[in-house]
Amino acid sequence: SQQGEEDPQALSIQEGENATMNCSYKTSINNLQWYRQNSGRGLVHLILIRSNEREKHSGRLRVTLDTSKKSSSLLITASRAADTASYFCATHVIMYSGGGADGLTFGKGTHLIIQP
Amino acid sequence: EAGVAQSPRYKIIEKRQSVAFWCNPISGHATLYWYQQILGQGPKLLIQFQNNGVVDDSQLPKDRFSAERLKGVDSTLKIQPAKLEDSAVYLCASSSTSGMVYEQYFGPGTRLTVT
Repeated sequence: SQQGEEDPQALSIQEGENATMNCSYKTSINNLQWYRQNSGRGLVHLILIRSNEREKHSGRLRVTLDTSKKSSSLLITASRAADTASYFCATHVIMYSGGGADGLTFGKGTHLIIQP
Repeated sequence: EAGVAQSPRYKIIEKRQSVAFWCNPISGHATLYWYQQILGQGPKLLIQFQNNGVVDDSQLPKDRFSAERLKGVDSTLKIQPAKLEDSAVYLCASSSTSGMVYEQYFGPGTRLTVT
């Protein structure tokens, strides 16, 4: 089952604007990761935020995590045409009782379109 | 550093036929994952290997899917017999277990179409 739910499902903005995507999840996590997927480069890791962190930055990306609300947001500032892609949040849980199983659980994604 | 390699990139088969996908992870990565991504959805974990042992295969449809990683490096995922609902992209990912690193590196995927 998919734990993460991204919102909105689709987002279309003008180049140069900021894009915000949200993710909600259901269980306690070790960390939360955001990935980007487009047809040219496959699934690419963008940023990881640990459960004891509240905010993290990487270039034009800003991620927040609220473990009390089980939610995260991804902000892309000064968007570019090349940012057009699907964005997925993925929760990471380590099942120590399960031999260390730690496969990621992905949401359905937000499809972002940057219009020139 | 070379990335995760997968082959073939595309495969079209008829239902009830069998198919196999191959994955070569990043050198030195002990953990290997296979995910299934149906169109319009996020990837779903099928199986996780640690070296050549299975750590988690709880979501693998074992009546038709099998996977192996015999020497702890390359892995093969097989479907036999295939059903229409198996049409998806099959993604292989690997990660290093050292240094508490949890980022997974994904291959380009194999797009399977079952007709």
